[in-house]
Amino acid sequence: GEDVEQSLFLSVREGDSSVINCTYTDSSSTYLYWYKQEPGAGLQLLTYIFSNMDMKQDQRLTVLLNKKDKHLSLRIADTQTGDSAIYFCAESIGSSASKIIFGSGTRLSIRP
Amino acid sequence: GAVVSQHPSRVICKSGTSVKIECRSLDFQATTMFWYRQFPKQSLMLMATSNEGSKATYEQGVEKDKFLINHASLTLSTLTVTSAHPEDSSFYICSARKGQGRNTEAFFGQGTRLTVV
Repeated sequence: GEDVEQSLFLSVREGDSSVINCTYTDSSSTYLYWYKQEPGAGLQLLTYIFSNMDMKQDQRLTVLLNKKDKHLSLRIADTQTGDSAIYFCAESIGSSASKIIFGSGTRLSIRP
Repeated sequence: GAVVSQHPSRVICKSGTSVKIECRSLDFQATTMFWYRQFPKQSLMLMATSNEGSKATYEQGVEKDKFLINHASLTLSTLTVTSAHPEDSSFYICSARKGQGRNTEAFFGQGTRLTVV
């Protein structure tokens, strides 16, 4: 079946790096995504990685993909208070990658 | 990126009435749009896939007669919650794919918070 799992909470100190982990089950995933959701708001696409890549870096964000273990991580360098949000891992599945299945979301909180 | 506009952002309705939520792709054509539902502190659950010019494909457990989806044009899909009840109160989000096939991104609307009283 299709399943995406992530831990529910993460607390980090301001200025440290945050690492949010995700595992998925569908080996046919084509794209894997990280979305950010701030309170009461919709989803913002942060970054995505194609399944034949193992790393993608975009400013403070680094995505690592271990396809063998079906493990995806998002690292946020120099975490700031504005990074407080829920982060959703998602995978696109289906014959034309038409569906996107989301994880439960990880709530990232920043402590001073 | 591309812009997906969802309207309204918030709606309060009485139990038994129907509510329509619109999802528009503003600067691209979307042959496929998706509707998600999010309960408090939970993830998004895919409700249905909306295809322009054809019937929507509903996920298991989603009542098609309760959640009516119409995708009348390449830039507009609507979700109508019929005979709404308090348990339908939720955050509904649409997304639209730009293009077809694997090499496309999905863009999300800002969501609609529905409260049924």
